[in-house]
Amino acid sequence: AQSVAQPEDQVNVAEGNPLTVKCTYSVSGNPYLFWYVQYPNRGLQFLLKYITGDNLVKGSYGFEAEFNKSQTSFHLKKPSALVSDSALYFCAVRNQAGTALIFGKGTTLSVSS
Amino acid sequence: SAVISQKPSRDICQRGTSLTIQCQVDSQVTMMFWYRQQPGQSLTLIATANQGSEATYESGFVIDKFPISRPNLTFSTLTVSNMSPEDSSIYLCSVVDFGGRGTEAFFGQGTRLTVV
Repeated sequence: AQSVAQPEDQVNVAEGNPLTVKCTYSVSGNPYLFWYVQYPNRGLQFLLKYITGDNLVKGSYGFEAEFNKSQTSFHLKKPSALVSDSALYFCAVRNQAGTALIFGKGTTLSVSS
Repeated sequence: SAVISQKPSRDICQRGTSLTIQCQVDSQVTMMFWYRQQPGQSLTLIATANQGSEATYESGFVIDKFPISRPNLTFSTLTVSNMSPEDSSIYLCSVVDFGGRGTEAFFGQGTRLTVV
């Protein structure tokens, strides 16, 4: 069965520092991986995806993610954090039917000024 | 990206009543889904809304409690029936347009439901 794990409930970084939000996955077959961000009282916004190709995926708002097949990881990164990046981040994998998404538990990112 | 309008954005309901949530998309999409996000939790898929036929429910969710309609390729409703406080959650509509805009899912703003 498909699943994703986000080992950290919360990540704290100072503004201007690099940030990493971790995600590992378990799938049968090729993984279709996604990152979403949720701001308070808002829906989910798509950040980036890995389907195939280059292991380094670039997305919205300066975020990127690195797909690592040997470590079954898909960590979200940003070279320089902004206070406005503070939000709840979800890693997700497409389900076995290839349609809907299975989400990790979410990681709260807090960027301090 | 697809533009999704979800109504209502929030509601406070009495236990035992029902609430119907609407999801309208700005263009035809292949697939529509309904998710639940319980307080402080992740998103859980309730069902896939199938156009012109009965929805496909995930384990733990039943049609009598969460009836879903999808009369066309741009619109769906989710009803939360006979509500109890345990139904207090955010309910989100999601769409994927396979073969169209791409493979990523887009989400409505959500409906924040409080049952008292």
